[in-house]
Parts: sequence; C-alpha cells; structure tokens
Amino acid sequence: TQLLEQSPQFLSIQEGENLTVYCNSSSVFSSLQWYRQEPGEGPVLLVTVVTGGEVKKLKRLTFQFGDARKDSSLHITAAQPGDTGLYLCAGDTTSGTYKYIFGTGTRLKVLA
Amino acid sequence: DTGVSQNPRHKITKRGQNVTFRCDPISEHNRLYWYRQTLGQGPEFLTYFQNEAQLEKSRLLSDRFSAERPKGSFSTLEIQRTEQGDSAMYLCASSLSPSSSTDTQYFGPGTRLTVL
Repeated sequence: TQLLEQSPQFLSIQEGENLTVYCNSSSVFSSLQWYRQEPGEGPVLLVTVVTGGEVKKLKRLTFQFGDARKDSSLHITAAQPGDTGLYLCAGDTTSGTYKYIFGTGTRLKVLA
Repeated sequence: DTGVSQNPRHKITKRGQNVTFRCDPISEHNRLYWYRQTLGQGPEFLTYFQNEAQLEKSRLLSDRFSAERPKGSFSTLEIQRTEQGDSAMYLCASSLSPSSSTDTQYFGPGTRLTVL
C-alpha cells in the first residue's frame, strides 16, 4: 500500500516566520502535487513536480521533489496570515490509473 | 467560471435515505474522479472515469455506492441506504489526458454530506 506521510500535522507560527512542510513515502511517484485547502472547500492546486530533484518556486513558496521521487518539501518564506490553511501533498501512483494518494495534511495557522 | 462544479454543496439526510450528488467537470476534461474526505484526513480515492467508462473502483466504494458518467460529461454519485459513517465531504476532480506525462487533477468545491 502506498502511503504519504506529512509532517508536521499542525503548525502555528507568527507572521514573518519561515516554515517547511515535509511529505514522505517509501514508494516512488510519477509526480507529486501540492494543494491548499480552505475549510469547506475543495483542494486548490499549487504546483506539480515531476522530475527527481526538481525545485519550483511560486512567489514565497518553494517546492522540491526528492531525487528518488519518494519525498517532497514545501518551504514558505515570511509567512502571512493568508497562507493559513490545510496543505496536502498528493502522489500520482505508478500503476497507470492516475488515482492520487493523498498525504495526511499539514494544518498551518499564521498569526498576525 | 469554468472550473469543476458540484451540487449540492451541502446535504443533510436521515439514516436510510438515498442521496445523489452531481459533478460537472471542466468542459474538455475526459477524466473524472470521486474522492471522499473525512475530518482531519486527506481525500481518499473512490472511483474514476475515462470518458463514460468507469475504470477503477476503490474497496471503499461499497455496494451502496454507485457512480455514473453516462455521456462522458457530468457524473453522479449515489449513496443508497445512507449510514452515519457516510458523513463526509465528497470531492470531484477532473483532468485532461493525455496532456503531458502527468495528470493534474482540478478539484471542485465538494459536497458536504451529514447523515443524522
């Protein structure tokens, strides 16, 4: 069974601080997606990473895919209250069916 | 707005009743997915369609659940004889395949089901 574990589960920080969220698995993924979800809403796609070692930047967010395509990280620089939400990683399985395996989620709260 | 839409957004029902949810994917997307998300968890895969063909069903999808995508456009998810354990957010996603080496899924806002 392919599993994705995220850490930390919860994170409460002050505005302006930096943080890193991790997404780890023992399985290899064809690609990995990061989503942010607000309460009562569906996940909104932030980025897709495909190549081992790939780094993508989205404003203050930096995403990295591990060399072996088993893990990923999300780093936020100078967090703002608008970054508050549930961050989910989702792996594209290698079975050819393209169903996603989602991580357990990291709930981030940024205090003003 | 041309994103994925789901109706209704909220549904409250009594145990034993049947409910049906609808998902309208992004218009040119040929793949459609259903997921279920309970509080504090990430979404779990239920089933997916390529055009009108249902290609995979999770073991989570008991006999009381059925999904259809009759014309390869919108999809419905029906739950018969609902149980309290069915209370969850039901999410629909769609993607265009093959578009590249990846299959990026775009999610709708979800339908929140509460079974009393």
